[in-house]
Amino acid sequence: AQSVTQLGSHVSVSEGALVLLRCNYSSSVPPYLFWYVQYPNQGLQLLLKYTTGATLVKGINGFEAEFKKSETSFHLTKPSAHMSDAAEYFCAVSAGTGFQKLVFGTGTRLLVSP
Amino acid sequence: DGGITQSPKYLFRKEGQNVTLSCEQNLNHDAMYWYRQDPGQGLRLIYYSQIVNDFQKGDIAEGYSVSREKKESFPLTVTSAQKNPTAFYLCASRQGNTGELFFGEGSRLTVL
Repeated sequence: AQSVTQLGSHVSVSEGALVLLRCNYSSSVPPYLFWYVQYPNQGLQLLLKYTTGATLVKGINGFEAEFKKSETSFHLTKPSAHMSDAAEYFCAVSAGTGFQKLVFGTGTRLLVSP
Repeated sequence: DGGITQSPKYLFRKEGQNVTLSCEQNLNHDAMYWYRQDPGQGLRLIYYSQIVNDFQKGDIAEGYSVSREKKESFPLTVTSAQKNPTAFYLCASRQGNTGELFFGEGSRLTVL
């Protein structure tokens, strides 16, 4: 069965610092991987996704992630944090026959200090 | 604008009462999903539907029921059998075969 592990329930950075949110996955088939962002009391918004092809994926708001099969990882990065990046971030992997479902990690809350 | 509409955004219920959460989409997506979100536990799948008049249980279906009579609508009923129903509920629909989900704004249910 597919699963996702997000290391660190909270990550704190200063404005302008590098953002690194970690995600490791487990999948018996080539995975489709996703990062979503959630602001308080709102739904989830897609940041970026990896399906096939280029392993470095660029998303919205300056975020990017790299698929590393050898490390079973899909870490999310942003070179310079902004106050507006403070939110909860979820990594997810497609699962089920025909990738019918998404399995989510437990989330990482990003705190950005001035 | 195309999207997913969930209602109500906030709902209070007394113990022992059933409550139905609405989810409507105008994205013309075939598949729809209900997730439950609790602090520190991420999103857990309750039910999903790949096509009209068909749906499958997710990981935590006990105490919940759904229907899919129309492509646009996928309501979730939280029954009195759900032991801990206070949570944030998210509805989503799926585009194509890549697994990407589009989410509504969520409904927060509080049992008093």
